[in-house]
Amino acid sequence: AQKITQTQPGMFVQEKEAVTLDCTYDTSDPSYGLFWYKQPSSGEMIFLIYQGSYDQQNATEGRYSLNFQKARKSANLVISASQLGDSAMYFCAMREGGNTPLVFGKGTRLSVIA
Amino acid sequence: GAVVSQHPSWVICKSGTSVKIECRSLDFQATTMFWYRQFPKQSLMLMATSNEGSKATYEQGVEKDKFLINHASLTLSTLTVTSAHPEDSSFYICSARGGLAGGFGPGTRLTVT
Repeated sequence: AQKITQTQPGMFVQEKEAVTLDCTYDTSDPSYGLFWYKQPSSGEMIFLIYQGSYDQQNATEGRYSLNFQKARKSANLVISASQLGDSAMYFCAMREGGNTPLVFGKGTRLSVIA
Repeated sequence: GAVVSQHPSWVICKSGTSVKIECRSLDFQATTMFWYRQFPKQSLMLMATSNEGSKATYEQGVEKDKFLINHASLTLSTLTVTSAHPEDSSFYICSARGGLAGGFGPGTRLTVT
């Protein structure tokens, strides 16, 4: 079974608008972490934001915020005031408790239009 | 902090030859390293996990005799693709972790002709 589901293969957003990238996850471990990464065409994985399962508040990092709905097992990424440089692949990932690897979703390709 | 380097950034090799990719943690000690493979337009798929000084643990479907992983020190892990074939052409990314520190390398693009 897929542990991380990203249902949007591609998204378009107008420059300066906000966009939400969806991510749902599946785990029975009470301790887990959720991550979002940006991957431009160069291939490097750029860390954006992290949410721990016990965190009470939604994580925010500059223009990025994570809409964490634990009961629904969703961890959507919100990018505010989109910029042309935000065009890239975005991956949602999860790490369950302990020294375990990240498991990635299939990704969403975001295109920002001028 | 948590800088991870990878070398080479890209490599082209002939079918049947072997290629070694290095992953280094530059400012922290990496007790665990993960190797991922990413085919075009796909996600990152975990190949193996290696802990310093131990044999690597490979994911199902990954040939351990083909993808040799060595993690002999706390700052270096290597992935050797032996007898490479065109279907091994891919983007290989390492991730290093030690304590609270961790990060991804910039990746290595392998093309086998």
